[in-house]
Amino acid sequence: DGGITQSPKYLFRKEGQNVTLSCEQNLNHDAMYWYRQDPGQGLRLIYYSQIVNDFQKGDIAEGYSVSREKKESFPLTVTSAQKNPTAFYLCASSPDRDSIYEQYFGPGTRLTVT
Amino acid sequence: QKEVEQNSGPLSVPEGAIASLNCTYSDRGSQSFFWYRQYSGKSPELIMFIYSNGDKEDGRFTAQLNKASQYVSLLIRDSQPSDSATYLCAVNPNSGNTPLVFGKGTRLSVIA
Repeated sequence: DGGITQSPKYLFRKEGQNVTLSCEQNLNHDAMYWYRQDPGQGLRLIYYSQIVNDFQKGDIAEGYSVSREKKESFPLTVTSAQKNPTAFYLCASSPDRDSIYEQYFGPGTRLTVT
Repeated sequence: QKEVEQNSGPLSVPEGAIASLNCTYSDRGSQSFFWYRQYSGKSPELIMFIYSNGDKEDGRFTAQLNKASQYVSLLIRDSQPSDSATYLCAVNPNSGNTPLVFGKGTRLSVIA
C-alpha cells in the first residue's frame, strides 16, 4: 500500500522534554511538509523540504527542528523551546509532476504536553 | 501576505440539497486550487483540484474557478449527512512545488 504514515497516533510528554514525530512516505514524492493544527484553527506551516538534505522554515518554525536525510522520511522534533506544543501535527507530501503539486496528508499525530 | 479566506460557518443544509462553499484568495498569480475535506479528529483528504477557469465536475462535487474575480467554489449536489465536515480551500501561489496556502475552513452540517 502506498501512503504516508505518521507515528505514533497519540503522544504524551512532560514539559521540558524534546519529542520527535515520525513521518514516512512510500509515494516517491519529492516535497514534504509539516503543519500544526490547533482546535478550530487552520493549518499552520512549520517546515517544508523540496529535496533531500534541504529544508525551509515555514510560518511558525521557532521551537521546532527537522531533517531530510532520506527522500521518504521527514521527522519533526518538538523542542522544549516551543512554548505551546500541544496540538495536532500533520505531515504531507506532494509529487513533482504535471505542475499541479497537490498535497496528500498523513493521519496525524496528536501531541499532548503537560 | 498571501491569504485565502473562507466563511467559517457552520453552513447548514438539508439532506438532498446543494451545498455551496466559497473561497477567495489574494494572490492574483495563483496557479492551482484545491478543496480538502476534514472530518473531526482526522487529517484533510483531497477532494478536487482545479487550475483552469470554469467548472470541473467529479461525481457529486463541482469545483468552480473564476481567476478574474479571485474566487473558487465547491458545490456538493445531493448533500448527505456523511458530507458533514470542515472543507478547506487551498491555493498554490506559485508555479512550482511550494507550500499551499490554506484557508481556515468552512464547517458544513447536512441535516437529515
